[in-house]
Amino acid sequence: DAGVIQSPRHEVTEMGQEVTLRCKPISGHDYLFWYRQTMMRGLELLIYFNNNVPIDDSGMPEDRFSAKMPNASFSTLKIQPSEPRDSAVYFCASSFFQATLEAFFGQGTRLTVV
Amino acid sequence: AQKVTQAQTEISVVEKEDVTLDCVYETRDTTYYLFWYKQPPSGELVFLIRRNSFDEQNEISGRYSWNFQKSTSSFNFTITASQVVDSAVYFCALSEVGGTASKLTFGTGTRLQVTL
Repeated sequence: DAGVIQSPRHEVTEMGQEVTLRCKPISGHDYLFWYRQTMMRGLELLIYFNNNVPIDDSGMPEDRFSAKMPNASFSTLKIQPSEPRDSAVYFCASSFFQATLEAFFGQGTRLTVV
Repeated sequence: AQKVTQAQTEISVVEKEDVTLDCVYETRDTTYYLFWYKQPPSGELVFLIRRNSFDEQNEISGRYSWNFQKSTSSFNFTITASQVVDSAVYFCALSEVGGTASKLTFGTGTRLQVTL
């Protein structure tokens, strides 16, 4: 298996623009997580899905952030409109059964909003 | 609420030295899992180990070893005979098990710099 695949790896956008980050989890994994990593806040969970259903989105910072998982092999994290403080590395991770088992992380998307 | 504390922000050692990375956690649950992840300069997060709260046996994997002590709520990580390739940021994480609340809470990470 190729592992968790995220795209793009790097994204530079202007403030106010819409940004969409993409994630393909490992086949067969039924949990998908979106994390954000910043210098100030470290790694924080934004939202996670179980069997394509959002379970906990309490980490989503604002209404500007939304996430979807239309099927078991694809998820998106959208920011609209983007702001400079959204600049961070966004990680997608997937796991089988629960996060009590190893969560496999993608390589991350480095987002820069100017 | 759960919390993971990695008090060491940055550690520098010379190659072949042993180094211990500290991790202290807080949780109200009796069942939980602890993890260590490595983040090399390339940026990805690499799983190193998972330990459940009922298993206090120390674990050794090559040059890596982990010491889990429930009495002090600590899960420390030791690298023996460190190498330059060990240079990375290391994260300790906690996952509580309860209904649908299984998710990772990360510490702030310890940056390890190994020099020649």
